[in-house]
Amino acid sequence: EIVLTQSPGTLSLSPGERATLSCRASRSVSSSSLAWYQQRPGQAPRVLIYSTSSRATGIPARFSGSGSGTDFTLTISRLEPEDFAVYYCQQYGDSRWTFGQGTEVEIK
Amino acid sequence: EVQLVESGGGLVQPGGSLRLSCAASGLTFTNYAMSWVRRAPGEGLEWVSLISGSGGDTYYADSVKGRFIISRDNSKNTLSLQMNSLRGEDTAVYYCAKVIYGSGTRFDSWGQGTLVTVSS
Repeated sequence: EIVLTQSPGTLSLSPGERATLSCRASRSVSSSSLAWYQQRPGQAPRVLIYSTSSRATGIPARFSGSGSGTDFTLTISRLEPEDFAVYYCQQYGDSRWTFGQGTEVEIK
Repeated sequence: EVQLVESGGGLVQPGGSLRLSCAASGLTFTNYAMSWVRRAPGEGLEWVSLISGSGGDTYYADSVKGRFIISRDNSKNTLSLQMNSLRGEDTAVYYCAKVIYGSGTRFDSWGQGTLVTVSS
């Protein structure tokens, strides 16, 4: 089973700053199966990025994804107040879905 | 607009059973695989189970295999999760989610979740 490790666990930033979140896989992941989700407190998760770098419908352009192989990144170019939340990477392979443990982006 | 509404959560004793349901609307239900994902208190997201659009193929996380059963009724646009032999570590909010394969595999619509608490 592929294990996804996200870093850092918590990111303390101010509105307007850039956020860079990392997701490392224990072995190579297909780029088409790597996605990122956002979960705000008390809300359901929502998909932000799929296929490593494609934005989901309605997701602002300040969210971008990149990477390949075992290293993937979610970047939020300028943090808005509503972006302070927990972010998860996720991969699919061998009929199994795995999530990273999450990165919390908190207000500094 | 896709809507997924979970129900059936509650308090159950260890070793007990519970059945969750997810009512789907706004989509051609039989065209999509569906999944259950959970989030335990203070923990991250964990995939639980998936069922194909026809219902003929099912998959489970190792943590629930042999205890949980996923099913669907395409005539009623309903997804279900039968949970047996429940343990404290099954305490979580359970979400149903619509699955997209192929053009970027992902869970692209989610319900609001239903809370399951396993405690004596």
